[in-house]
Amino acid sequence: RKEVEQDPGPFNVPEGATVAFNCTYSNSASQSFFWYRQDCRKEPKLLMSVYSSGNEDGRFTAQLNRASQYISLLIRDSKLSDSATYLCVVNMGGPNFNKFYFGSGTKLNVKP
Amino acid sequence: EAEVAQSPRYKITEKSQAVAFWCDPISGHATLYWYRQILGQGPELLVQFQDESVVDDSQLPKDRFSAERLKGVDSTLKIQPAELGDSAMYLCASSLKGHEQFFGPGTRLTVL
Repeated sequence: RKEVEQDPGPFNVPEGATVAFNCTYSNSASQSFFWYRQDCRKEPKLLMSVYSSGNEDGRFTAQLNRASQYISLLIRDSKLSDSATYLCVVNMGGPNFNKFYFGSGTKLNVKP
Repeated sequence: EAEVAQSPRYKITEKSQAVAFWCDPISGHATLYWYRQILGQGPELLVQFQDESVVDDSQLPKDRFSAERLKGVDSTLKIQPAELGDSAMYLCASSLKGHEQFFGPGTRLTVL
């Protein structure tokens, strides 16, 4: 079993739709959680950190469920520019060192 | 805005040749990571440095790959000899201890 698992998609949605991605992780002691966005043939860019209380940044909302060991990303009012691959990243290191594990990514296609 | 620098951006080489990639992390970031990413997959950690010390190289193919960060700042990743299966994107990232990582633009390697 992989440490971090994501549905590879692709998710094909029309503009304006709401779409949600989930990601599960294996280590219940994981310290921190992130969503990265990666455009084709580019580097991953940090989209948002995921906090225990959940957090929102504009149209994007991230949630953490420690009991079930998953994190989610919700995108409201999808834009064409949201088309990308979304990577779930989990830090399974300790408070003073990092050990990041990546999911394989979920591909999102937003269509006109 | 501080960025991770990498060079070259693209490299084409023939199998059995030697190649080297360079990375300059964000100033003050003690942790430096080298990843390999194959199309359609998430990044896979090759080696992680804390200052000048290697803290994780468990996935580095040590018969042909080497990495160094002599002064704890910039780093070089070398492959010798290159094989066809090494064709991939090589990403460098850096972070503060316990914090999220930031990626450079990557080096796209093609081995012919």
